Amino acid sequence: GAVVSQHPSWVICKSGTSVKIECRSLDFQATTMFWYRQFPKQSLMLMATSNEGSKATYEQGVEKDKFLINHASLTLSTLTVTSAHPEDSSFYICSARSPQEQYFGPGTRLTVT
Amino acid sequence: AQSVTQLGSHVSVSEGALVLLRCNYSSSVPPYLFWYVQYPNQGLQLLLKYTSAATLVKGINGFEAEFKKSETSFHLTKPSAHMSDAAEYFCAVSHAGKSTFGDGTTLTVKP
Repeated sequence: GAVVSQHPSWVICKSGTSVKIECRSLDFQATTMFWYRQFPKQSLMLMATSNEGSKATYEQGVEKDKFLINHASLTLSTLTVTSAHPEDSSFYICSARSPQEQYFGPGTRLTVT
Repeated sequence: AQSVTQLGSHVSVSEGALVLLRCNYSSSVPPYLFWYVQYPNQGLQLLLKYTSAATLVKGINGFEAEFKKSETSFHLTKPSAHMSDAAEYFCAVSHAGKSTFGDGTTLTVKP
């Protein structure tokens, strides 16, 4: 079946630095990808919708200047957490939509120290 | 607008017993409904999905769910629990690829 990959699978960074997370659809083209965040012991919350070739649409309460999303091609979306702080530590999961299905990536665990 | 409510944040069953995890949804359009399982420190694994075909949906690992429009429910069941079923389970409703998740139910299986 179709696969969505994320890189890196885990990352530790220092407070104030920026971290980029990649989401790739490996065998299909995804015009739309989604970014979710999951805090420990909580559910997944949609952060933003990433559309190829256009600006991302952010959910209410998500800072677009802090979480930069770039969907530069039909198989790649990136999420950059800028000036990361410990409260940004979370599990970030992307999903990609094909005409027939939606597929979730394996997630990226971010720890900000 | 769409939303999901999972009744019971924790469910505990004995090995071999019936598993029932409850999910109610709200959607302004015909829903696509999903159940996912998540093991610690891992991503989501799709158990099954409802996409307006058969109301009784069979998934992996012996799980199944029944879509009941009149009750706006999509409860997940498994006749006989295994120890390996212990995990976090999420019900989700999706429209145009955008998913809204319930708060999750932690399933514990006692030997």
